[in-house]
Amino acid sequence: DTAVSQTPKYLVTQMGNDKSIKCEQNLGHDTMYWYKQDSKKFLKIMFSYNNKELIINETVPNRFSPKSPDKAHLNLHINSLELGDSAVYFCASSDREGEQYFGPGTRLTVT
Amino acid sequence: AQSVTQPDIHITVSEGASLELRCNYSYGATPYLFWYVQSPGQGLQLLLKYFSGDTLVQGIKGFEAEFKRSQSSFNLRKPSVHWSDAAEYFCAVGGSSASKIIFGSGTRLSIRP
Repeated sequence: DTAVSQTPKYLVTQMGNDKSIKCEQNLGHDTMYWYKQDSKKFLKIMFSYNNKELIINETVPNRFSPKSPDKAHLNLHINSLELGDSAVYFCASSDREGEQYFGPGTRLTVT
Repeated sequence: AQSVTQPDIHITVSEGASLELRCNYSYGATPYLFWYVQSPGQGLQLLLKYFSGDTLVQGIKGFEAEFKRSQSSFNLRKPSVHWSDAAEYFCAVGGSSASKIIFGSGTRLSIRP
């Protein structure tokens, strides 16, 4: 009974391509997030949505576009992929007290 | 500015030994504090959290952490580590729901047999 799920788990693609990562949570949370974890394990927030509305948008290239069709889903679309986009992307959702529940991650490799 | 500092990048302890991982934070309001663990190739799992009340909080897997406001610290402890505790540990600070959580840079824990 997965709480936060992401697909795909692995994504290998070439520079210049466009790709999407999907995230779904079945916890009934109102808030969802996307994080990027680089090769040094540093975890940085990218976006946050609360009830389908964008509330946090860190300094992220506009090639990255989140979309929340409903409060249980938060997808991440990336245009014109670059080598530096290679990382592990984590989706998370949070309850009212801010405790975050993480998905298993999507390892993106751009060649 | 909000920040979290984990001064130890990598720590190695012997199995059965005690453990303390350090975390210092900077936060303008009353902080919500978290410790997460990440095993290799896995997502992050919450070990414990502090919102208010008793400053010594107990978590899963035998971990505990103590909030010290005067030192802006929230150190993680375990009296006796097991080989399965080898992982990356992240301290984090934030506010209530929908606010941003700031993560520290992580401390990698290795266990010596």
